[in-house]
Amino acid sequence: DVKVTQSSRYLVKRTGEKVFLECVQDMDHENMFWYRQDPGLGLRLIYFSYDVKMKEKGDIPEGYSVSREKKERFSLILESASTNQTSMYLCASSFRNRGGDEQFFGPGTRLTVL
Amino acid sequence: SQQGEEDPQALSIQEGENATMNCSYKTSINNLQWYRQNSGRGLVHLILIRSNEREKHSGRLRVTLDTSKKSSSLLITASRAADTASYFCATSDSGTYKYIFGTGTRLKVLA
Repeated sequence: DVKVTQSSRYLVKRTGEKVFLECVQDMDHENMFWYRQDPGLGLRLIYFSYDVKMKEKGDIPEGYSVSREKKERFSLILESASTNQTSMYLCASSFRNRGGDEQFFGPGTRLTVL
Repeated sequence: SQQGEEDPQALSIQEGENATMNCSYKTSINNLQWYRQNSGRGLVHLILIRSNEREKHSGRLRVTLDTSKKSSSLLITASRAADTASYFCATSDSGTYKYIFGTGTRLKVLA
């Protein structure tokens, strides 16, 4: 059974902390994505990666960075967490087809920043 | 920026009825996909329709695509309580790996 896993379902952090969100996929997908989901705003792309060590900014990269040292793992880093980063974070992966292919999503991490 | 906009934002129907939700987008696309999200969970892919297709079926799902109007519709026939979820459309174009998601339609199916 193909799977995308995320390191935590729920996370509570304090303002100013450095936060790491981990995502692992077992489908040998080239593409990996990080989204945040907020009520009324849908899913917004933060960063994506189409190969190991490659990354591209999405629509809302400010305050975030990413790391992809291995094909199966894509990490999202909040350098200094702020309350406006309280959100649901979703990781996804897909095969590398320009023009889109089915995305497989992890269960999400609900992050609260106090 | 979000280019997919679903309509309606929320829909409540009785079990056994059909549910129709719509998606509009702004730019040219390579394909359009529909996803379902159960409360507080990740998204699950339902169906993909390519820009050169007009209609596609999968079980109780029927998707149409009108590229001239830049719109798509998802029809769920004979709905069940288990269909209660949020439904999102996502578009991508041939020049990018990116997907653009809409804001979703919340469907509630009453038993």
